[in-house]
Amino acid sequence: DGGITQSPKYLFRKEGQNVTLSCEQNLNHDAMYWYRQDPGQGLRLIYYSQIVNDFQKGDIAEGYSVSREKKESFPLTVTSAQKNPTAFYLCASIPDGQRTACFGQGTGHTVV
Amino acid sequence: GQQLNQSPQSMFIQEGEDVSMNCTSSSIFNTWLWYKQDPGEGPVLLIALYKAGELTSNGRLTAQFGITRKDSFLNISASIPSDVGIYFCAGQRTSYDKVIFGPGTSLSVIP
Repeated sequence: DGGITQSPKYLFRKEGQNVTLSCEQNLNHDAMYWYRQDPGQGLRLIYYSQIVNDFQKGDIAEGYSVSREKKESFPLTVTSAQKNPTAFYLCASIPDGQRTACFGQGTGHTVV
Repeated sequence: GQQLNQSPQSMFIQEGEDVSMNCTSSSIFNTWLWYKQDPGEGPVLLIALYKAGELTSNGRLTAQFGITRKDSFLNISASIPSDVGIYFCAGQRTSYDKVIFGPGTSLSVIP
């Protein structure tokens, strides 16, 4: 079945460590997005990519990095420079020429 | 940057009641989207609107694309407990512009 998959579902890490969140889609969508959601809050855009090998910063890109080497994959690295990394992270993809985003199930990230 | 505003921020209603919520922007959008998010899950698309004035239904849900293209409305009729969740509006100026989300409206339904 086609879909967008985030892994892991939950992630705990120690302070000072970098961690990479995976987002894979087999929908052949061109655009992929990473959002951050804090408890009781809306979605804030971290990074987005419209095509392979190209990506743009969103509203809260500081402390994060991404890559888009393959159309199917858009991994997000949360670096130790991110001051408040504990949040729920959502990945989404949008097919070319369309405007409806499909979301993954999210990754809960907690720093201990 | 561009922002969307949603109101109300939260709602507590009795089962069976109708619900209305809206989304406004200072900018014009060519697409309005409504999503629902259950706890611990990703948002799921409910309704997509592509034309000013468009009124679209999906079961008990009805959404409208405002004629000014700066707002959209979502109505839920005869609410049931499974309607509980956070409802997000989202807008996009063009097919190749980034999707912008509102802060969400949290809906609680009292049986």
